[in-house]
Amino acid sequence: QSVLTQPPSVSAPPGQKVTISCSGSRSNIGSNYVSWYQQVPGTAPKLLIYDNTKRPSGIPDRFSGSKSGTSATLDITGLQTGDEATYYCGTWDVNLSAHWVFGGGTKVTVL
Amino acid sequence: QVRLQESGPGLVKPSETLSLTCTVSGGSITNFDWSWIRQPPGKGLEWIGYIDHNATTNYNPFLKSRVTISLDTSKSQFSLRLTSVTAADTADYYCARSYVAPFDYWGQGIPVTVSS
Repeated sequence: QSVLTQPPSVSAPPGQKVTISCSGSRSNIGSNYVSWYQQVPGTAPKLLIYDNTKRPSGIPDRFSGSKSGTSATLDITGLQTGDEATYYCGTWDVNLSAHWVFGGGTKVTVL
Repeated sequence: QVRLQESGPGLVKPSETLSLTCTVSGGSITNFDWSWIRQPPGKGLEWIGYIDHNATTNYNPFLKSRVTISLDTSKSQFSLRLTSVTAADTADYYCARSYVAPFDYWGQGIPVTVSS
């Protein structure tokens, strides 16, 4: 059971928008930046969003992140078939000793 | 372009020690933080721990008693040792770099099976 809670799956037709939520607590999301990662089946995860809202070079602006309180959100607009993947949120958790935690992952299906 | 490559045995016997190495090329190994992350078959990601540019380590508290991460700057490598493995340690193991952003570069991953 992950410390960060994500819906197992979301889906939408091409061109539409999906929103992925990531719910945590004061010890993790509530006090630290959130990152998001995309994992296409059979490949390593790739950084999509860091510091809640920032995109690394090369990541299209169709991907956007936000954070409010103890929850974070990843939005994907203009959905494409290539966006089919599992998306993970992650952040530091200061419970016990500071350690990194990931959400359980959300599978995005393009209908 | 920075490249990370994991290496090590793909099969480890129960109760023995899993040892993996990550070789960094295309960039310096100093001034960055280096992590190990694993993914059991069909499951999500689990952070194992990191070593920073000062060789300071930080481990997942649930694995801490069995984990050691070390750094060899002369070889541009960092390594993972996980002792007393069981079937629950069967996973794809990834090495990753952190700099401005957490885990901005990843290795391709190496599958490790714990079985007799």
